Amino acid sequence: GAVVSQHPSRVICKSGTSVKIECRSLDFQATTMFWYRQFPKQSLMLMATSNEGSKATYEQGVEKDKFLINHASLTLSTLTVTSAHPEDSSFYICSASLGNFNQPQHFGDGTRLSIL
Amino acid sequence: GQQVMQIPQYQHVQEGEDFTTYCNSSTTLSNIQWYKQRPGGHPVFLIQLVKSGEVKKQKRLTFQFGEAKKNSSLHITATQTTDVGTYFCAGRDTGFQKLVFGTGTRLLVSP
Repeated sequence: GAVVSQHPSRVICKSGTSVKIECRSLDFQATTMFWYRQFPKQSLMLMATSNEGSKATYEQGVEKDKFLINHASLTLSTLTVTSAHPEDSSFYICSASLGNFNQPQHFGDGTRLSIL
Repeated sequence: GQQVMQIPQYQHVQEGEDFTTYCNSSTTLSNIQWYKQRPGGHPVFLIQLVKSGEVKKQKRLTFQFGEAKKNSSLHITATQTTDVGTYFCAGRDTGFQKLVFGTGTRLLVSP
């Protein structure tokens, strides 16, 4: 149980393109999902907390207009990187947990975004 | 803000040797979780520690939570090549709900 699916796994696109990444909880409902960004050989940096039916909570320094988050259902959260530029190239990964915040996080496989 | 540091940043051992990574938080934690991330993969949950001084074992892995709930350690006995990956601790501050990941320790095991 507790499977999180993330799609696509890899995106390569031109500068200025907007890219949408989907995160789905396959066998459980997730009122809260988390979006992280990970640079090579570095830790996971929390970008935002996605809340079903309400606005996402962004971490300090993360542009909400740049990284649009929509959590329209209990099993789907999307992250859209708008007008992506080379500096947005990174590994983006989502997670969700069963129940409350003290439960383990279950991660998607991640999306490797490369902006040319 | 809350910071979680891990040492060492990287360790290369021969198969059969022991390995330990240390995790230190700038604030007191309500609990701490440990994750393993294989190269090219996503983090996978290993364990959660909640109580002060708690020690848990999973086969060759031993996890410990400090008495002050500000530090933790992961010890692997007799490493195997399958232990290769980056080990992250992740702490939850007593005042907040979000999980802050440590800087990670990358383990390489040579046969």
